[in-house]
Amino acid sequence: DTEVTQTPKHLVMGMTNKKSLKCEQHMGHRAMYWYKQKAKKPPELMFVYSYEKLSINESVPSRFSPECPNSSLLNLHLHALQPEDSALYLCASSPEYLLQAGETQYFGPGTRLLVL
Amino acid sequence: GNSVTQMEGPVTLSEEAFLTINCTYTATGYPSLFWYVQYPGEGLQLLLKATKADDKGSNKGFEATYRKETTSFHLEKGSVQVSDSAVYFCALSAHNQAGTALIFGKGTTLSVSS
Repeated sequence: DTEVTQTPKHLVMGMTNKKSLKCEQHMGHRAMYWYKQKAKKPPELMFVYSYEKLSINESVPSRFSPECPNSSLLNLHLHALQPEDSALYLCASSPEYLLQAGETQYFGPGTRLLVL
Repeated sequence: GNSVTQMEGPVTLSEEAFLTINCTYTATGYPSLFWYVQYPGEGLQLLLKATKADDKGSNKGFEATYRKETTSFHLEKGSVQVSDSAVYFCALSAHNQAGTALIFGKGTTLSVSS
């Protein structure tokens, strides 16, 4: 089973709202990722969690706040977003952050976010 | 540094046509190579992979061979279907100080008509 689930599938929010995106995997993976993807572009890495600790923050604005409550769950808390933050937000997981040959990341279906 | 270059799209084909999407890479060391596919409205799915020179990855009729001498990993399919319409991303794994990053190409949009 290589399934990563994400909720909600779609989200519309105003610039003053607070919302959260959720991601879950039950593959026993110890690394989890948040990516932002604009239409027809490759995903852009935002955050990496390894063993529930934040390993990488790619200079993401503080209006995005990640959280890893346990090894299976990853959240992304959103507050005071801008219209340019509208995008597909993808979660991914991998066995470890340091991958062996042939290992890779497995992606969820994404949350399509629209900021009005 | 590490990078992936894909042919610009969109690629437009008729059903049952032969498909090639070119991918070349620059990397230090010996990266693993991947093709991901993204169907409309969905996330990225791993399509196939190869871990060393001359390895051939295959899945769902798609194939790609890891060519170290030409630093290439071109995606091919002998007979495309309308259901293959999607965006295809070539990627490599690159180790950094903390772990392993996936480096993606810009993506190639494939549109297949009946």
